[in-house]
Amino acid sequence: KAGVTQTPRYLIKTRGQQVTLSCSPISGHRSVSWYQQTPGQGLQFLFEYFSETQRNKGNFPGRFSGRQFSNSRSEMNVSTLELGDSALYLCASSLSDGYGYTFGSGTRLTVV
Amino acid sequence: SQQGEEDPQALSIQEGENATMNCSYKTSINNLQWYRQNSGRGLVHLILIRSNEREKHSGRLRVTLDTSKKSSSLLITASRAADTASYFCATDARGGSYIPTFGRGTSLIVHP
Repeated sequence: KAGVTQTPRYLIKTRGQQVTLSCSPISGHRSVSWYQQTPGQGLQFLFEYFSETQRNKGNFPGRFSGRQFSNSRSEMNVSTLELGDSALYLCASSLSDGYGYTFGSGTRLTVV
Repeated sequence: SQQGEEDPQALSIQEGENATMNCSYKTSINNLQWYRQNSGRGLVHLILIRSNEREKHSGRLRVTLDTSKKSSSLLITASRAADTASYFCATDARGGSYIPTFGRGTSLIVHP
């Protein structure tokens, strides 16, 4: 079966711009989570969506937002980009609570 | 803040040797998971061990969990060059959401 698909793979944006990243989970997985990975902070949890509702949220500013559609696909948006937002953004889907995550290959965002 | 912390931060071994990585965490957990990440790509789920389990095996991987010491270990037997990667443990806190919190990882290099 198809894995978790993230698009685009690479992105270069300018400070102040906004960006939208997309994630298609494994078919049947209703939980989609987003993580930010940087060398300095490691893997940081952004938010989790389940059945189109944000169920959990990490400690990130309001510039980071997301949503989930009825087909479980998810998008995350970052507005007013800052240099520190440069990171690998990872999406993961899970069958249910207490199950392992399947990660996508990530979107590498560079803010210049 | 990271719930789990891996030790050592870096490990360099020869092909055929065993590799052992440890993870310590602070609060009681529901589950502990181990993931592998190759060179800035997505994470691959290796093993999930529940708080009432003490040991699990998957191929050349063996994971142990000691809840009294709040620690886990991942053993890779007969290492191969292809095992070169970063290995992360992730825990979800008992009584909280099932969102896994990741450690900083152990960087494993297996020399051919």
